[in-house]
Amino acid sequence: AQSVTQPDIHITVSEGASLELRCNYSYGATPYLFWYVQSPGQGLQLLLKYFSGDTLVQGIKGFEAEFKRSQSSFNLRKPSVHWSDAAEYFCAVGARGGSYIPTFGRGTSLIVHP
Amino acid sequence: KAGVTQTPRYLIKTRGQQVTLSCSPISGHRSVSWYQQTPGQGLQFLFEYFSETQRNKGNFPGRFSGRQFSNSRSEMNVSTLELGDSALYLCASSPSHTLNTEAFFGQGTRLTVV
Repeated sequence: AQSVTQPDIHITVSEGASLELRCNYSYGATPYLFWYVQSPGQGLQLLLKYFSGDTLVQGIKGFEAEFKRSQSSFNLRKPSVHWSDAAEYFCAVGARGGSYIPTFGRGTSLIVHP
Repeated sequence: KAGVTQTPRYLIKTRGQQVTLSCSPISGHRSVSWYQQTPGQGLQFLFEYFSETQRNKGNFPGRFSGRQFSNSRSEMNVSTLELGDSALYLCASSPSHTLNTEAFFGQGTRLTVV
């Protein structure tokens, strides 16, 4: 079964600074990978996804993520954080082929200082 | 296009009661999945329905059940509520017959059991 680890429970950055949120997965083959964002009291919104092809994936709101097979990682990055990016970020992994039960990481809470 | 709609948004129930939550997926989406989100356990998969059939089920007791109607709308029911059932319940819909594509989340139903 697949699993996801988000090592950082909280991340604090200053507005305008760069951001990297870590995600490591465990799966026997190349998985489907997702990053979601959740604002307080809201559902989850998909930021980006990796299925195949280019390992650098561009998403919405200026986010990008890079799939590194050798490190089993799918870290999320943004060059300049805005105060509105403060939210909870979830990495998720899914198995290829057929129906599957997706696995979410525990989430990383992003705090943005002005 | 309207998003995923969950009703009600907030609910307070007493221990021992039962509750029914509703989810209307995005028009044309046939897959609906349910998740429970708590601070302690994170996002946990409950079950997934496709074309009125439950295809996947997470590791939850039989008190948690669901169904999907011919118009793809879904309901989940929790019987004999326990304090630990207090959570944000999220519904997600997907256009694909598998979950290996983007899932669109509703805003959730916040259930409080007292």
